[in-house]
Amino acid sequence: SAVISQKPSRDICQRGTSLTIQCQVDSQVTMMFWYRQQPGQSLTLIATANQGSEATYESGFVIDKFPISRPNLTFSTLTVSNMSPEDSSIYLCSVEGNAGTYEQYFGPGTRLTVT
Amino acid sequence: DAKTTQPTSMDCAEGRAANLPCNHSTISGNEYVYWYRQIHSQGPQYIIHGLKNNETNEMASLIITEDRKSSTLILPHATLRDTAVYYCIVSGAGNKLTFGGGTRVLVKP
Repeated sequence: SAVISQKPSRDICQRGTSLTIQCQVDSQVTMMFWYRQQPGQSLTLIATANQGSEATYESGFVIDKFPISRPNLTFSTLTVSNMSPEDSSIYLCSVEGNAGTYEQYFGPGTRLTVT
Repeated sequence: DAKTTQPTSMDCAEGRAANLPCNHSTISGNEYVYWYRQIHSQGPQYIIHGLKNNETNEMASLIITEDRKSSTLILPHATLRDTAVYYCIVSGAGNKLTFGGGTRVLVKP
């Protein structure tokens, strides 16, 4: 299974600012995913990030608000732009398992509080 | 992706088998049933998946009905560390995962 780390693990930010979250994987993966988990809620997929192409965003999420980079096969960033208190959530990245398997492996998450 | 229906919560006794049901009556022929769990303050953890045959691994067993409209995740000997939210997800192979509300499982001593 892949080992995924995220930075920062948590942060408290002021409204109107931006935060970039990093996701590092210990092996090369094609697809990486970014999720949001609002307080007390389930996970919602924000976007899928493939190396070498633009991220594909789900309905309700736009690139201007959540720009994503995927510079190589082991790393991705998600930026939460112009933050408001409604952006307070846990943000998680995940990766696909080995080819031929269908599971995803998740990072520990980044807990963001916007004041 | 097909929708799933799970009980909101359930309690289990430590050391006993925990049987977690999931309904997915609109599942299509190429969609898999996945189970994940999320322990408090952690990212979700993959448990098991299946297409139409029953599956077993070191964590759990997955029983899928013949018509594939429902399934049951079985934790054979629940421990306190199995307390978590369990998500049943239906998705095509390699497709994105759509998480529902899940079942909040509390294992009691």
